[in-house]
Amino acid sequence: ETGVTQSPTHLIKTRGQQVTLRCSSQSGHNTVSWYQQALGQGPQFIFQYYREEENGRGNFPPRFSGLQFPNYSSELNVNALELDDSALYLCASGSGGYGYTFGSGTRLTVV
Amino acid sequence: QQQVKQSPQSLIVQKGGISIINCAYENTAFDYFPWYQQFPGKGPALLIAIRPDVSEKKEGRFTISFNKSAKQFSLHIMDSQPGDSATYFCAASISGGSNYKLTFGKGTLLTVNP
Repeated sequence: ETGVTQSPTHLIKTRGQQVTLRCSSQSGHNTVSWYQQALGQGPQFIFQYYREEENGRGNFPPRFSGLQFPNYSSELNVNALELDDSALYLCASGSGGYGYTFGSGTRLTVV
Repeated sequence: QQQVKQSPQSLIVQKGGISIINCAYENTAFDYFPWYQQFPGKGPALLIAIRPDVSEKKEGRFTISFNKSAKQFSLHIMDSQPGDSATYFCAASISGGSNYKLTFGKGTLLTVNP
């Protein structure tokens, strides 16, 4: 049973809107990463937060932003949604080393 | 630029057979190579991982073979079962610091027929 919970599980938004996706990590996990997984593709790294600071970013525009909170929760915000933003968004958390745990993801559909 | 190339895209194996999935990487700085298993509607789950200081790692029916000079690694699933039917992803990352960015392959859809 995964210790990483994501909400909501599914979401439909209109192009141009803004969306916030949430992730609750396991207690003690001070690192959280977000990935975008398009249909039929592998997950693509968006960014990572370590102790509430962004410490790594993939090839995603600034309209993708995030926050990490002291209570091991985090958010992914996407502004000015585009059709190509439709994907499964995955949160992964860990406490150092490589035993990352992924959540089940949020399926975002932009229409 | 695809830094981790995975093949085949799909694979059909009979129950009891051996499933083999291959990956090749470009960045020689990669030093951690995990394999993930993903079922529909679920996030990826870590299956097995290897570092380049060993050429093979086995955990139960799952084995990773690693060829550093060729920059290739593969997953072997012995005695494949219908419950192994899932999408498998290879990945790679660079250790050191606190950034654990994973670079994934495009995935292999494995179907094990009963």
